[in-house]
Amino acid sequence: EIVLTQSPGTLSLSPGERATLSCRASQSVSSIYLAWYQQKPGQAPRLLIYGASSRATGIPDRFSGSGSGTDFTLTISRLEPEDFAVYYCHQYGSSNTFGQGTRLEI
Amino acid sequence: QVQLVQSGAEVKKPGASVKISCEASGYTFTSNGMHWVRQAPGQRLEWMGWINAGNGNTKYSQKFQGRVTITRDTSASTAYMELSSLKSEDTAVYYCALGATVMKAWGQGTLVTVSS
Repeated sequence: EIVLTQSPGTLSLSPGERATLSCRASQSVSSIYLAWYQQKPGQAPRLLIYGASSRATGIPDRFSGSGSGTDFTLTISRLEPEDFAVYYCHQYGSSNTFGQGTRLEI
Repeated sequence: QVQLVQSGAEVKKPGASVKISCEASGYTFTSNGMHWVRQAPGQRLEWMGWINAGNGNTKYSQKFQGRVTITRDTSASTAYMELSSLKSEDTAVYYCALGATVMKAWGQGTLVTVSS
């Protein structure tokens, strides 16, 4: 099973700042099979990025994804108040596994 | 727009089974697949399995193989997930999520509490 490890566990930033979230895989993941989701308290996850770098429908362009192999990054260029949430990476190339999440807090 | 509406919260005793429904609308049900994912309190998301809503083929996580059954009713545009031999560790929010690979849209979640 491919284990995804996200860092940091918690990221404290302010609106307007840039956020960089990391996802490291225990084995190489084809970049076409790496996604990112946002989850707010009491809500279901929402797809942000798929194929490592493609934004899902309706996702603002301040969200971007990059990476390959075992190292992937989600970047939020300028934080808006509604961006404070938990973010999960997901690999779907070899079964399906998720990272443990990064909490983005003010 | 795509909507996935799940059945309501359940409370079950250890050893029992639970069956959760996920009614889909806003797209062609049989042209897509449906995942089931759960989230125990304070834990990461955990994939349980997937069904091809067109032909009914299923894939299950090894962890849940033998305990989980995913089915669908195309006439009702509804997918189902049944989990048997429940244990307290199965207490979690269970989600259905639309997609063949990536999970494009999610249901609102169903809380299953397993307690004696």
